Order: sequence, then C-alpha cells, then structure tokens
Amino acid sequence: AQTVTQSQPEMSVQEAETVTLSCTYDTSESDYYLFWYKQPPSRQMILVIRQEAYKQQNATENRFSVNFQKAAKSFSLKISDSQLGDAAMYFCAYRSARGDSGNQFYFGTGTSLTVIP
Amino acid sequence: EPEVTQTPSHQVTQMGQEVILRCVPISNHLYFYWYRQILGQKVEFLVSFYNNEISEKSEIFDDQFSVERPDGSNFTLKIRSTKLEDSAMYFCASSLGSFSYEQYFGPGTRLTVT
Repeated sequence: AQTVTQSQPEMSVQEAETVTLSCTYDTSESDYYLFWYKQPPSRQMILVIRQEAYKQQNATENRFSVNFQKAAKSFSLKISDSQLGDAAMYFCAYRSARGDSGNQFYFGTGTSLTVIP
Repeated sequence: EPEVTQTPSHQVTQMGQEVILRCVPISNHLYFYWYRQILGQKVEFLVSFYNNEISEKSEIFDDQFSVERPDGSNFTLKIRSTKLEDSAMYFCASSLGSFSYEQYFGPGTRLTVT
C-alpha cells in the first residue's frame, strides 16, 4: 500500500520569507500523481500544486514550487514570499495513475504552517 | 467557482444512532468520494462512487456504512449505528473523471458521537 509521510507536524515562517515543507512517500508504482493541498481554518481543502511523476520538471504555481525527487521518493513544497494568508494545514497526497487502482488519495498527516507578521 | 458543499457542518449524535451526512458535488462531476479525518490523524479514504455504484472502498467502510446518490445532486453517507470511534471530520469530494488529476473537497462535517 502507498504511504505518505510528513515529518513536520508544525512549521513557522516570517512573513515574506521562504519555507519548505517536506513530504516523502512509498510506492512500487512508476506512474502516479502527487499533490499539495492547503486547508485553511475555514476547512475547505484547496489544491495548491500537482506533479505528474513522469514529468522531470518541477511544478510551479506563482509563489509555490515543488522539489520532486522521484528516486528518493521525496516531494517538498517551497513557499516563497510567505503571506499571512498562507497560514494553514498543508497536506501532501498521492494518487496512482493506474486506471484499475481507483482514484483514492493517500494523504500525509499534515503540516500546520504559521506565518509570523 | 463551483464548490462542493456539505451539510451539516457539525453533527452531534448518541452512540447507536443513525446519521446521514449530505454532500452536493460539483454539478458536472461524475466521481464522488468520502474521506474521514480523526482528530490528529491523517485523512483516510472511505469510498468512491461512480455510475450509481461503489467503485472502491477501504477496510474502514464496513457494513455499518452506506452511500447513496438519491437524486441528481446529493451524495450521502449513512452510518447505521454510530460508535464513539466514528467521531471524525468527514469530507466529501468529487472529480470530473477517473483520470482527472484533481479531486475537489467540501468543507467537511464534524461528527461527534457521545
């Protein structure tokens, strides 16, 4: 079974600084998708960024970027120029790309990010 | 932007009672999911639903759980006889297709079993 591990339960960053959230995963599959979801205090989980495993290029969405290391099974999220609105719980998630494996997501335990003004 | 909605936001029930959690997925989505998150633990998959039947379920989704799409808009999760350990946040999600990258999540229903 796939497992996703987030080893940092809590992180903090000064406003305008950069922070990196860690995520590792375990799978025997070669094709899959990885995601970072943000869950602000309002509770709705919002997709931040996604990465297809077959792509070598790291995904980037504005201030958010990932460092995808397939061999190391590592998928970290970098938030640049942190803003107060970035404060939230961040979940790393894995989804198989196999058509017969279902579409379920496997989530990590989350990292609670605090942004200090 | 379309959103997944869930009602109620918080449900308190007594052990042994039946509860129904309701979700309205995004209207053109075809795949529907339930996840749960026990306080302090990871979000766990319960079940996926497509074409009016369960397509996949986890070990958590035992006989006390059932899902239904009673009409064209709602997607419900029923727990027949709640236990204390069912206390959790329950998230509904939907996706456009089986190969869609993204699942859109609702805000969750916090279920408290006393």
